[in-house]
Amino acid sequence: DGGITQSPKYLFRKEGQNVTLSCEQNLNHDAMYWYRQDPGQGLRLIYYSQIVNDFQKGDIAEGYSVSREKKESFPLTVTSAQKNPTAFYLCASTATARSQTDTQYFGPGTRLTVL
Amino acid sequence: DAKTTQPTSMDCAEGRAANLPCNHSTISGNEYVYWYRQIHSQGPQYIIHGLKNNETNEMASLIITEDRKSSTLILPHATLRDTAVYYCIAVLSGTYKYIFGTGTRLKVLA
Repeated sequence: DGGITQSPKYLFRKEGQNVTLSCEQNLNHDAMYWYRQDPGQGLRLIYYSQIVNDFQKGDIAEGYSVSREKKESFPLTVTSAQKNPTAFYLCASTATARSQTDTQYFGPGTRLTVL
Repeated sequence: DAKTTQPTSMDCAEGRAANLPCNHSTISGNEYVYWYRQIHSQGPQYIIHGLKNNETNEMASLIITEDRKSSTLILPHATLRDTAVYYCIAVLSGTYKYIFGTGTRLKVLA
């Protein structure tokens, strides 16, 4: 089955700890994205990557870091510098970054709770 | 990018058509209208998109007005499983930029 997997589904961490959220896709998509969603709100873009070894900040990148060493993987690290990290995190991908119209497909999400 | 506005919530009787409106009065000629839905605690699911013409797929129909200032997503026979938040997004052709609003919370009633 082709798709996007995110693990774990639920994640708990203590304040002051870094934590890494996994995102893997087997769709052979070039571009990948990370979004954050707070209760009752829409999605906000954290980081995106159009090709391997390249990524760009989105609207709310402070306190987060990413890497893109492989085409199929785009892990997100929530650092201790992120002031309010409790949220629902969503990963998405598109086939290419610059086609005429490119639909984003989303993973199931990871709910992070900071205790 | 064009901003979209949607009603906060709507109800629909099971088996009836659900018509979800979206206003995008500042949309430009090369911005597509995309619709997604999000069932509680899941990732958004792509439904349909269009530029100028009306579109239909196995999930829904998209009606875009001639002036492109508004559109309507139609779920022809709503079921309880269609209860979700529906997002209408204007996406500039060739870019990654999706700007999600708060969407319309559709509740399908038995």
